[in-house]
Amino acid sequence: SQTIHQWPATLVQPVGSPLSLECTVEGTSNPNLYWYRQAAGRGLQLLFYSVGIGQISSEVPQNLSASRPQDRQFILSSKKLLLSDSGFYLCAWSAGLAGKGSLYFGPGTRLTVT
Amino acid sequence: KQEVTQIPAALSVPEGENLVLNCSFTDSAIYNLQWFRQDPGKGLTSLLLIQSSQREQTSGRLNASLDKSSGRSTLYIAASQPGDSATYLCALQGGSEKLVFGKGTKLTVNP
Repeated sequence: SQTIHQWPATLVQPVGSPLSLECTVEGTSNPNLYWYRQAAGRGLQLLFYSVGIGQISSEVPQNLSASRPQDRQFILSSKKLLLSDSGFYLCAWSAGLAGKGSLYFGPGTRLTVT
Repeated sequence: KQEVTQIPAALSVPEGENLVLNCSFTDSAIYNLQWFRQDPGKGLTSLLLIQSSQREQTSGRLNASLDKSSGRSTLYIAASQPGDSATYLCALQGGSEKLVFGKGTKLTVNP
């Protein structure tokens, strides 16, 4: 069966510090991978998605970036965090082409920027 | 641009009641619609997926329907239980890799 992992579960970082959140998927090959952010009182915002190694599509330009160094590994990074980066970050995966399968989410990382 | 609306934002019902959660969308050109459940501080759990060619899907006490012509989907929960308390989100996938989410309905089932 497929499993998706995220770490860390919670993170408190000062403004201006770097960020690295990691997501890995087990039990499947060549998944589509996604990073979403859920801010308080707001809906889920798609940040990045990837259909393959090294292929990243960005939905929000801001100060975040994503990388996919391996087939089942997706990393969200920032060089300098802003207060507005606080939120709940969710990694997700899906199989196959767009619209053909369910989206499965990881447990999330709660990021507080102070 | 696809917009997804979920009304009401919050709903409180007594245990045992049958209830309906609503999801409306502006663009009927969709591939599928999914309903998710989110418990506080947790990730999302997929409940039901309806492909655009389907009208409904059922899983246990849950039944989701899709009416593309009217831009509506409903999630029906039969015989609600306190364990059903959570936020329920609908999401639509159009002609890309992206899902568009509603902001969710927070359901509280009182014992």
